[in-house]
This record gives sequence, structure tokens and C-alpha cells, in this order.
Amino acid sequence: ETGVTQSPTHLIKTRGQQVTLRCSSQSGHNTVSWYQQALGQGPQFIFQYYREEENGRGNFPPRFSGLQFPNYSSELNVNALELDDSALYLCASSSDFGNEKLFFGSGTQLSVL
Amino acid sequence: SQQGEEDPQALSIQEGENATMNCSYKTSINNLQWYRQNSGRGLVHLILIRSNEREKHSGRLRVTLDTSKKSSSLLITASRAADTASYFCATDDSGNTPLVFGKGTRLSVIA
Repeated sequence: ETGVTQSPTHLIKTRGQQVTLRCSSQSGHNTVSWYQQALGQGPQFIFQYYREEENGRGNFPPRFSGLQFPNYSSELNVNALELDDSALYLCASSSDFGNEKLFFGSGTQLSVL
Repeated sequence: SQQGEEDPQALSIQEGENATMNCSYKTSINNLQWYRQNSGRGLVHLILIRSNEREKHSGRLRVTLDTSKKSSSLLITASRAADTASYFCATDDSGNTPLVFGKGTRLSVIA
């Protein structure tokens, strides 16, 4: 049990819709990273937020956007959903900008039909 | 893009045997970490080895790092059915860059 919670656990959307995924970080952690994991693949880095500012972004289009709130919870928004967006979305929190040990939530399984 | 590449992709062993999985990476690293993922769930951090370290132990886990070959290995001794999971290596090239994961090794431990 990492203390990182994600909601919802499962979600079904249709192509073209928009989705918001939520993450509550472990207590004391001010850095959150979002990853996309396709079936049978490793997690792919989407972006990271540190103290409410985006601090690095992977190779994802602008329709993937995020927010981090003053309490360090976070949102991932995806607009204009595509079939290939179907994946497990993982958030991970860490302390002070670091990547030395990420604490992951259980993920949101998104299916786009 | 994925920095690390685990080998083998899948491994099946009997309970009590040792399991070894390898990770190769392409560029210089700050540290290398191993994570475990039970089916469809979040990843759990297992162990971190820094670029200036060669070997590290944690319980039944032993990790080695060879920076000249850009490779690492994870050994799980006396495996148990509960060790059945996917194992990922992850690297970053500095403290400020994102952690990049490989594709993972799926380990099955048969009781």
C-alpha cells in the first residue's frame, strides 16, 4: 500500500470524448509523474509536475494535459480520445523533484471504443 | 522511447529456484532501479543501484550493475509463487530527468 490513490479504477469512453483522471499523492510528496502503460509494454512517461509547475514532458501530443493542485493532488486530462489511448494510466509521487523512488498508484484502466 | 530493455521477455521457473533477469540500456545513467508489477496494478519499487555501485542486496534480491557494458541483472533467490509478476528496470541520466522504463520481464513461479 503506497498511499497514492487514483480514481476512477476503470473507465470506458468513446473516440472523440474527453477524460479526466485523478491522483492523490502520498503524504509529504510534492512531485507527481504520470505514465501510460499499453498492454504488454513498460510505462511511458507523459509528464511530471513539481510544486504545481510542469517539470518535463514526454513524447505525447498537447491533447494530454495536466494540473497539480496546492495540496499536490493531480489531474491528467486527455482531449479528443483516440483508440490508441486505451491503456493503464499510472501516477507516481515522489519527494522533492526526485526520481529515486517512485510510489505508484494502482492505475486507471481506460478503454476507448 | 524506452531506455532499458529486459531479457528474457518471459521466464518460467519452479518454486525454490533462482530467477535471473537482465536489463540493458543505451546511454549513461545516474542510477538504475528495479520495479515489480503484479498483474494490471501499480508498480512497486524494489531496489536502486547508483552508477558508482557494482552490487547491491536486499533480502532475496541481488542487483548488479556493469556500466562498461551498460547492463544490470536482478537475481531473485529461492523464488516463491508470490514472486510471480512483471519486473521492470528503470533509469534516469540525472536527478532531473524522468525515469524511463523498459518493457519488462514476466516471471512465472510455479508451485
